[in-house]
Amino acid sequence: KAGVTQTPRYLIKTRGQQVTLSCSPISGHRSVSWYQQTPGQGLQFLFEYFSETQRNKGNFPGRFSGRQFSNSRSEMNVSTLELGDSALYLCASSWATGGAGNTIYFGEGSWLTVV
Amino acid sequence: QKEVEQDPGPLSVPEGAIVSLNCTYSNSAFQYFMWYRQYSRKGPELLMYTYSSGNKEDGRFTAQVDKSSKYISLFIRDSQPSDSATYLCAMRANTGNQFYFGTGTSLTVIP
Repeated sequence: KAGVTQTPRYLIKTRGQQVTLSCSPISGHRSVSWYQQTPGQGLQFLFEYFSETQRNKGNFPGRFSGRQFSNSRSEMNVSTLELGDSALYLCASSWATGGAGNTIYFGEGSWLTVV
Repeated sequence: QKEVEQDPGPLSVPEGAIVSLNCTYSNSAFQYFMWYRQYSRKGPELLMYTYSSGNKEDGRFTAQVDKSSKYISLFIRDSQPSDSATYLCAMRANTGNQFYFGTGTSLTVIP
């Protein structure tokens, strides 16, 4: 069974540009969450999508957005990039949104460097 | 105060040692507790999953949860060089799917 797939793995962008990251969840999983990981802050929750609807959102500015498609694949977009957006962006999938026994499985992440 | 606190280490132990990793938390609503292992430049990998208080064992790994103290632990017996990684604790409440993570403890097992 294939795991969570994220593309691209590595990218370098210039301040002010925008970026789109893609995530394909584990087959059968309908929930996709996005996290930002930095050395100083650790893993911080960005947002969760379930059945194409945003279910929850973390404390990030509106420059961070996402969406989910009918096949459960998800994309996140960061507009007007800032140097502080340099981070590992992790996608995680789960079969449900909450509930007993539900946990999340991560992809390998997309390394974003903003210069 | 962060909802989940984890000693960042780094922790360095000789091969074969018993390793103890810990997290504390402040939100009494947390019911589900997990430990993830993250190798350098890789995504976190689920190691252990427990519900409420108690112990769970899986091979060389034992997870303990003490909800009364808001304290969780991961023990690694007979540690191996391949255990060298960053260990992240995570937890969530009964409702919703938002997980809260510790900042991770970096572990090095020296052959």
